[in-house]
Amino acid sequence: EVQLVESGGGLVQPGGSLRLSCAATGFTFSNFWMSWVRQAPGKGLEWVANIKQDESERYYVDSVKGRFTTSRDNAKNSGYLQMNSLRVEDTGVYFCARYQLPFYGMDVWGQGTAVTVSS
Amino acid sequence: DIQMTQSPSTLSASVGDRVTITCRASQSIDNLLAWYQQRPGKAPKVLIYKASNLKSGVPSRFSGSGSGTEFTLTISGLQPDDSATYYCHQYRGDYTWTFGQGTKVEIK
Repeated sequence: EVQLVESGGGLVQPGGSLRLSCAATGFTFSNFWMSWVRQAPGKGLEWVANIKQDESERYYVDSVKGRFTTSRDNAKNSGYLQMNSLRVEDTGVYFCARYQLPFYGMDVWGQGTAVTVSS
Repeated sequence: DIQMTQSPSTLSASVGDRVTITCRASQSIDNLLAWYQQRPGKAPKVLIYKASNLKSGVPSRFSGSGSGTEFTLTISGLQPDDSATYYCHQYRGDYTWTFGQGTKVEIK
């Protein structure tokens, strides 16, 4: 079954760090770009980051630049989102998703992992 | 940055109705727009890409149109299963993406 599964969410104090993981199964992970998209409680979707298959290109929303880093390990079929200097406004559910170019949509998503930043 | 404005934020319609959601971009995005459906507690699901291309497996009652700055998602013959929030997503701008704020569709 084609699947993405996130893990690593939890409760962290402002200024703290978390590392999210996204495990891929059922497809050739190295053929796909990967995205991170988040959703604050009761709010809409917000794109966070994209990473190319070979990590040669990475893009971030302005609000996380310098604090978040996306990476991947194709040998482990996994992607990661390292989140540092966390803020209350980073609270939400974080989804990973895959896509290819030309873009046909983010067609496989994980179930999401919840991050709560609170003192 | 490219801003996406969706309207309405909520709509209520009956089964069988034709429903239209609009998404406006703050600058031209050509046809680099996708639409997603998200049910409560679930991950989004892509419906349309490149403004008007129906993703394989998506019911044909969903359709998309537009280019430049104005886009629409139409549901022709609303079904109970279509109760969800719908988001537009631009993927044109300088390698940074944005979503619209969402439209919640309720069934009367």
